[in-house]
Amino acid sequence: KAGVTQTPRYLIKTRGQQVTLSCSPISGHRSVSWYQQTPGQGLQFLFEYFSETQRNKGNFPGRFSGRQFSNSRSEMNVSTLELGDSALYLCASSPGTLGGRLSLEQYFGPGTRLTVT
Amino acid sequence: QKEVEQNSGPLSVPEGAIASLNCTYSDRVSQSFFWYRQYSGKSPELIMSIYSNGDKEDGRFTAQLNKASQYVSLLIRDSQPSDSATYLCAVGTALIFGKGTTLSVSS
Repeated sequence: KAGVTQTPRYLIKTRGQQVTLSCSPISGHRSVSWYQQTPGQGLQFLFEYFSETQRNKGNFPGRFSGRQFSNSRSEMNVSTLELGDSALYLCASSPGTLGGRLSLEQYFGPGTRLTVT
Repeated sequence: QKEVEQNSGPLSVPEGAIASLNCTYSDRVSQSFFWYRQYSGKSPELIMSIYSNGDKEDGRFTAQLNKASQYVSLLIRDSQPSDSATYLCAVGTALIFGKGTTLSVSS
């Protein structure tokens, strides 16, 4: 089974611009979560989508938004980029359920390295 | 504020030894716990999940959970140089991660 894929892998943007990152989950996985990883703060939860609905949201400003499509693919958008948004953005997918029971294991994609100049 | 604490290390062990990694969490109602391994420049890789008190073994890895003490640990038996990485403890469904423990296994 193919893993989680993220595009693009690397991105350089200028302050004030906006950016859209894409994530394709493992086939059959219905839950997609997004995380930000920085050297100072570590891995921080952004939001989770399940069946096209945002189910959980982390403590990030409204400039960070996301959505999920009917095929479970997800995008996240960051508007009005700031220097501090430079980070590795990771997408993780989870089955939601497996064989009728709750399956919460999350599998990460390779990430998108965003640099804001 | 929900927190997950790990000793940042580095934890250095010789090849063949047992490496013991520890994690404490603040949210008493947490029900799901995970260990991830992250090599430098790579994304986190799931090693173990544990949901019930006690031990769970998978190959050279054993996860231990004590909900009363709000404590999770990971034992790596017969440590290999390829195990050298940062190990991240994660708790919950909207995962709260610790900052990670760096493990170095010397040959």
